[in-house]
Amino acid sequence: EAGVTQFPSHSVIEKGQTVTLRCDPISGHDNLYWYRRVMGKEIKFLLHFVKESKQDESGMPNNRFLAERTGGTYSTLKVQPAELEDSGVYFCASSQDLRADEQYFGPGTRLTVT
Amino acid sequence: SQKIEQNSEALNIQEGKTATLTCNYTNYSPAYLQWYRQDPGRGPVFLLLIRENEKEKRKERLKVTFDTTLKQSLFHITASQPADSATYLCALDSLGGSYIPTFGRGTSLIVHP
Repeated sequence: EAGVTQFPSHSVIEKGQTVTLRCDPISGHDNLYWYRRVMGKEIKFLLHFVKESKQDESGMPNNRFLAERTGGTYSTLKVQPAELEDSGVYFCASSQDLRADEQYFGPGTRLTVT
Repeated sequence: SQKIEQNSEALNIQEGKTATLTCNYTNYSPAYLQWYRQDPGRGPVFLLLIRENEKEKRKERLKVTFDTTLKQSLFHITASQPADSATYLCALDSLGGSYIPTFGRGTSLIVHP
């Protein structure tokens, strides 16, 4: 069974540009989560989808971040315009049920804003 | 707000010894606590979950304790191997007993052959 995949693995963009990160969850997982780890800090929750609906977006830092999950399959996270402080590793996770011990994480996308 | 503390210094041990990692938390009474393993370039991998009414949980060479009075969890790896070298993350349930974990910064474990 394929795990959670994320694309790209690494992105380097200039301040002010737009970047779109993609996450493909494990097939059949209705729950999809985005997390972020900025340099030297802990992994922090951004938002949670149940199928195509946003269940909880309390962790989204500001309106420069837009997450979508059209059709309830893969999800995208767009940052527009990117700022220096957006640099970090963005993780996606998915789960079948709403259980903390059943979230499977992807390898992450390392975003560098210069 | 809740705060999770893990030793930022790497723990270096010899193969075969028991590794013990510490997670302390403040300003919160979690319903559960989790431990994850993270390798470079990878996402966290769930290892163990222990609930507030459990004192200890084991899985193969892993053992987790949970002391709600001390607000501390200890994570033990017995008979450690170089392949156990990784960063280990402690996580608590978010406020309200949510299924969304709140992570600590992790402690790096290096097992020397």
